[in-house]
Amino acid sequence: NAGVMQNPRHLVRRRGQEARLRCSPMKGHSHVYWYRQLPEEGLKFMVYLQKENIIDESGMPKERFSAEFPKEGPSILRIQQVVRGDSAAYFCASSAGNSLSNQPQHFGDGTRLSIL
Amino acid sequence: GQQVMQIPQYQHVQEGEDFTTYCNSSTTLSNIQWYKQRPGGHPVFLIQLVKSGEVKKQKRLTFQFGEAKKNSSLHITATQTTDVGTYFCAGRGQNFVFGPGTRLSVLP
Repeated sequence: NAGVMQNPRHLVRRRGQEARLRCSPMKGHSHVYWYRQLPEEGLKFMVYLQKENIIDESGMPKERFSAEFPKEGPSILRIQQVVRGDSAAYFCASSAGNSLSNQPQHFGDGTRLSIL
Repeated sequence: GQQVMQIPQYQHVQEGEDFTTYCNSSTTLSNIQWYKQRPGGHPVFLIQLVKSGEVKKQKRLTFQFGEAKKNSSLHITATQTTDVGTYFCAGRGQNFVFGPGTRLSVLP
């Protein structure tokens, strides 16, 4: 019974490169959330997606960041032209219902992104 | 916009002492969830409270939802070293928002 799977666990990029973070939700879950966490800080909401739709992207920077959750395959968080300030842990979570349904969110192990 | 605050930010206790973290929202919440994140790990769902004044217990952990549904607390009785981690509350008002967390250290 696989949980939320994120890969890679660690990702190192140089400034200006692109970073692609993948998230496969728990089986049966169609709602995916992405969060960013800096060391010793809380979770900052970035984007909420349902299959093929972005429901809420209010926490995601307008430039360089994009997210998708295609009909087939994992959800992808894409960061273009990375900068040092993008270094953080990025967590994906999934739930069985939408964000109004009071369903708990199940988190993956995160991707720790380091920018050289 | 909706804000969720937690106090204290850090708490150091001796093993066996009690611990409480408080969660306060700027808006009325329809529900509140609590998560625990161990150092280097990912958040793990603990419990959800929905009703005004609701109290739930999980072994040594007691969770409470305020009467006005704007605050919540998590109390741990007789802490153990396995309780170390960051405890986050998350509430649904207009949006679903996580608090900044309370980091608990337990000294053996």
